[in-house]
Amino acid sequence: GQQLNQSPQSMFIQEGEDVSMNCTSSSIFNTWLWYKQEPGEGPVLLIALYKAGELTSNGRLTAQFGITRKDSFLNISASIPSDVGIYFCAGLVDYKLSFGAGTTVTVRA
Amino acid sequence: DAGITQSPRYKITETGRQVTLMCHQTWSHSYMFWYRQDLGHGLRLIYYSAAADITDKGEVPDGYVVSRSKTENFPLTLESATRSQTSVYFCASSESSNRREYYDEQFFGPGTRLTVL
Repeated sequence: GQQLNQSPQSMFIQEGEDVSMNCTSSSIFNTWLWYKQEPGEGPVLLIALYKAGELTSNGRLTAQFGITRKDSFLNISASIPSDVGIYFCAGLVDYKLSFGAGTTVTVRA
Repeated sequence: DAGITQSPRYKITETGRQVTLMCHQTWSHSYMFWYRQDLGHGLRLIYYSAAADITDKGEVPDGYVVSRSKTENFPLTLESATRSQTSVYFCASSESSNRREYYDEQFFGPGTRLTVL
């Protein structure tokens, strides 16, 4: 499968902080996705990106599709306690997703 | 209940036993998927199905068997479980719009935590 490198692996953030995480790949993707997973549940889609350079927001979340089509980043602004979870990037080829290893976010109240 | 469900939610078995994990969706989605989630690897695709009676291998299919006799069900069988198959297994489904530039969102079930002793 495709190899996606996601960083950082984990982060502790202060409530109210803005944070970023990113994902890089050696392969080109036509679609980049960001998912969030909470304990005991399956991943839930946050943002889908379809075009190189595209910048898309979903509330306090903003994601960008890199110009090279080999990378993407996700920003969370003004962190709150419910932002806790694991965030995954994923690239789509045909109907198959390749996932990064995830970024575990823990918020300090 | 509407949505996608998995059963059992937790399973402990022994090496060499056969285990079947069930997945059921009520949306009549065409596509269904099985993933395993392990620390450091994210989710990896085991098998997927584009429609009833159509299945194909994903990234890590060895040791697994799937079937899809009905659109709504997609069971995953470990014919002879091994310790390396200890993992959390997620089923997902999506519709197919046949629009290549549009992502047909995959909706995930709650997962099955499988331990092979």
